[in-house]
Amino acid sequence: GNSVTQMEGPVTLSEEAFLTINCTYTATGYPSLFWYVQYPGEGLQLLLKATKADDKGSNKGFEATYRKETTSFHLEKGSVQVSDSAVYFCALSDLGNTPLVFGKGTRLSVIA
Amino acid sequence: ETGVTQTPRHLVMGMTNKKSLKCEQHLGHNAMYWYKQSAKKPLELMFVYNFKEQTENNSVPSRFSPECPNSSHLFLHLHTLQPEDSALYLCASSQDRGQLAKNIQYFGAGTRLSVL
Repeated sequence: GNSVTQMEGPVTLSEEAFLTINCTYTATGYPSLFWYVQYPGEGLQLLLKATKADDKGSNKGFEATYRKETTSFHLEKGSVQVSDSAVYFCALSDLGNTPLVFGKGTRLSVIA
Repeated sequence: ETGVTQTPRHLVMGMTNKKSLKCEQHLGHNAMYWYKQSAKKPLELMFVYNFKEQTENNSVPSRFSPECPNSSHLFLHLHTLQPEDSALYLCASSQDRGQLAKNIQYFGAGTRLSVL
């Protein structure tokens, strides 16, 4: 079946540091890949997505590239801010009526 | 504001109580979802409704009973819950389930449930 594995947290970084959160997936078809973010006290929000191999999703300074050869979709940001502190979820959606499959989430704390 | 509103935001109930969680979406979507988010566990999909019809029930205990009277509203009726049911319950909606491009889910802020 489909699954998503993301790095265990928590991740603590200083402001302006470089961020990488690893995500790898297993899927039987050709899934679309997503990163969702959950800020404290809120629900999940779509951060970015990629629908086919070599696509790069980007939003708010975050980027992730769909790598079919390594089945990965790592999230990166060049310079994090305190306001980026949140839980980040990698997810995939296969064709048709299959539901989103989420990773366990990675908590990021950015300190000033 | 994501267009998906959940009430109440917080709920404390005893094991013998009956309560309901409400979700309303103002996005014109046709699919709605209930998720359970527990500490240190992956997000668990509970139920899916598409055009008011239940399309998924992921082996959820019968003490959780969903209701979808129309495409804009989704309820989760709770009765005789256990302490391990304490969690954040998230509602989401998407345009529909059939086409991948329309399957992006928009989440509410959740109801934090504590069962005593």
